[in-house]
Amino acid sequence: KQEVTQIPAALSVPEGENLVLNCSFTDSAIYNLQWFRQDPGKGLTSLLLIQSSQREQTSGRLNASLDKSSGRSTLYIAASQPGDSATYLCAVPNSGGSNYKLTFGKGTLLTVNP
Amino acid sequence: DTAVSQTPKYLVTQMGNDKSIKCEQNLGHDTMYWYKQDSKKFLKIMFSYNNKELIINETVPNRFSPKSPDKAHLNLHINSLELGDSAVYFCASSRLSGRSYEQYFGPGTRLTVT
Repeated sequence: KQEVTQIPAALSVPEGENLVLNCSFTDSAIYNLQWFRQDPGKGLTSLLLIQSSQREQTSGRLNASLDKSSGRSTLYIAASQPGDSATYLCAVPNSGGSNYKLTFGKGTLLTVNP
Repeated sequence: DTAVSQTPKYLVTQMGNDKSIKCEQNLGHDTMYWYKQDSKKFLKIMFSYNNKELIINETVPNRFSPKSPDKAHLNLHINSLELGDSAVYFCASSRLSGRSYEQYFGPGTRLTVT
C-alpha cells in the first residue's frame, strides 16, 4: 500500500527566501508524481506533474525533482513571495498499476512573511 | 471558463437527511473522481468513473452513491447523513498525460452535518 509523507508539516519563511519542500513515498513503482497547491477554503491547483521517466520539471519559480529509486521528490520555490502562502500537497498514483488512484501526503503549510 | 465546478459550495444539514452534491467538468476529460478531505486536511479518494463506468470504489459506506449521467457530470448522493460525514468533498477530473492521469480539482463542497 502506497504511503506518502511530507516534511516539514509547516514552514514559515521571510519573503525572498528560496525553499525546499520534501515528499517521500513507499512504493517506487509509480508512473508520475503530482504537486498541488491548496489555498484556504479553496480547491487544489495542479502545479507540476513529473513523469517517472523525468528527473525534473520546471514552471516559473517552481522546480520539482523526482528520484524514484529513493522514493523522494522535492519542490523548490525560488524567491518566495507572500502570494506563495498555501498548503502544498504531493500525490502519487497507487501501486499496482492503478494510475487513476492518487495517494496524497498531508501537505506542507507554507507561510511567506512580507 | 470554469474547468471543474461543484454545487453547492456550502451545505449545512441535519443528521438523517439525504443530500446531493453535483459536479461538472468542461475539459473534455473522460475520468472523474470524488475525494473527501477530513478535518485533519487528509485527502482520500472515494470513487472514480471512466466513461460513465465505475472503476474505483474505495471502502465507503453504501449510504454514498455516485451517479454519472454522462462523461461531463458526476454527482454524489448521500443518504441518512451522519455527523462523521462532515468534511469537504472535492470533485476532480483527469486526462491522460503520457501514461499518467493529470488530475484537476473543483473548488470543493463543505458539508456540515448538525
